[in-house]
Amino acid sequence: DAGITQSPRHKVTETGTPVTLRCHQTENHRYMYWYRQDPGHGLRLIHYSYGVKDTDKGEVSDGYSVSRSKTEDFLLTLESATSSQTSVYFCAIREQGFEKLFFGSGTQLSVL
Amino acid sequence: QQQVKQSPQSLIVQKGGISIINCAYENTAFDYFPWYQQFPGKGPALLIAIRPDVSEKKEGRFTISFNKSAKQFSLHIMDSQPGDSATYFCAASAGGTSYGKLTFGQGTILTVHP
Repeated sequence: DAGITQSPRHKVTETGTPVTLRCHQTENHRYMYWYRQDPGHGLRLIHYSYGVKDTDKGEVSDGYSVSRSKTEDFLLTLESATSSQTSVYFCAIREQGFEKLFFGSGTQLSVL
Repeated sequence: QQQVKQSPQSLIVQKGGISIINCAYENTAFDYFPWYQQFPGKGPALLIAIRPDVSEKKEGRFTISFNKSAKQFSLHIMDSQPGDSATYFCAASAGGTSYGKLTFGQGTILTVHP
């Protein structure tokens, strides 16, 4: 998957607990994105990054925060998980100057 | 508000038939329209994409038709094969640094029967 590793691949957690998902790339691409996929909604952008320590909000950012301290790593944190955050989370990367987005294999998160 | 509307939700075709998926958008600032293919347990993968300066783009059995005035675009899969069975998403974004900020349609589950 274009040098993108998401971890964990599956996670079950309880409401109110913090959760951090990791995206690691080996492509040295500048742009990184977090999307969530839900039935009937397609994929929706949560947060994105255009460089180290440069991040911005997407369409559905409430309840999520991100950090990017190194080019290769983009972390998504759910400060206090809720059942509505049960979803499949995808990380994506894009090389500067190109349109194409490469997606990772996803993390299935269940919040009970 | 969903800015890209995709139909149908599901589609069943016979091997060798033509699969057609349609999308409509609202935001006139969009200028990049990709289609993604997703297999179970995998992330979406870019299939084909088009810019609004052309009305059609073909890559092998896959064709995008684009109607700028109607704000609609569609994916045609010719000679559909069982291996094409997957979920297909249309998407759109504005240009420049916004290319990765895609607005996706709801998805179409395509099943091709042998």
